Amino acid sequence: DQQVKQNSPSLSVQEGRISILNCDYTNSMFDYFLWYKKYPAEGPTFLISISSIKDKNEDGRFTVFLNKSAKHLSLHIVPSQPGDSAVYFCAASVAGETQGGSEKLVFGKGTKLTVNP
Amino acid sequence: DTAVSQTPKYLVTQMGNDKSIKCEQNLGHDTMYWYKQDSKKFLKIMFSYNNKELIINETVPNRFSPKSPDKAHLNLHINSLELGDSAVYFCASKKDLQYFGPGTRLTVL
Repeated sequence: DQQVKQNSPSLSVQEGRISILNCDYTNSMFDYFLWYKKYPAEGPTFLISISSIKDKNEDGRFTVFLNKSAKHLSLHIVPSQPGDSAVYFCAASVAGETQGGSEKLVFGKGTKLTVNP
Repeated sequence: DTAVSQTPKYLVTQMGNDKSIKCEQNLGHDTMYWYKQDSKKFLKIMFSYNNKELIINETVPNRFSPKSPDKAHLNLHINSLELGDSAVYFCASKKDLQYFGPGTRLTVL
């Protein structure tokens, strides 16, 4: 039962163009969403997040959009750079469901982004 | 300075063996996790500990036993290893955000 789905396993874009990575979720209880970036042989690192009370959050070249009615979020990277080439994981949680400080993040399978020079 | 470190980075072993993976964080966080990324690339939570106390156990087989000697360490011991245990195991620690270690690639032959 995939509660968080990233249906595109890979995406290739030209340097300088926009990269759009998509994520869908099925659990309507999710109210906090995150994007993590992962380079080979490293652990995922936090990139950007959004709470369900917002529909957009921007941080430099990275913007996350949330469409709650469609249960869909997307990560926009503009302009894309070769150093952005990595696997991007979408993750979701129910913010109020923390036990003893532990939140349970549910991850998608990831999308491998390649930015070509 | 490595925030979350794991040892070993690679582990190759035979079925039926017992092995441990160590995790240490120097961030002063109270909460630590173990995740498993299987061959299908899903990254799934296995356990979480808060200040040495088990908080989340995601119905992981009891061959897997996490141990937290102090809040900076969360080790994962696996008994009677099976082929299906082959995966990359990530440790993470959290205050506001989760910080992941580099992963341990376990291969069971």
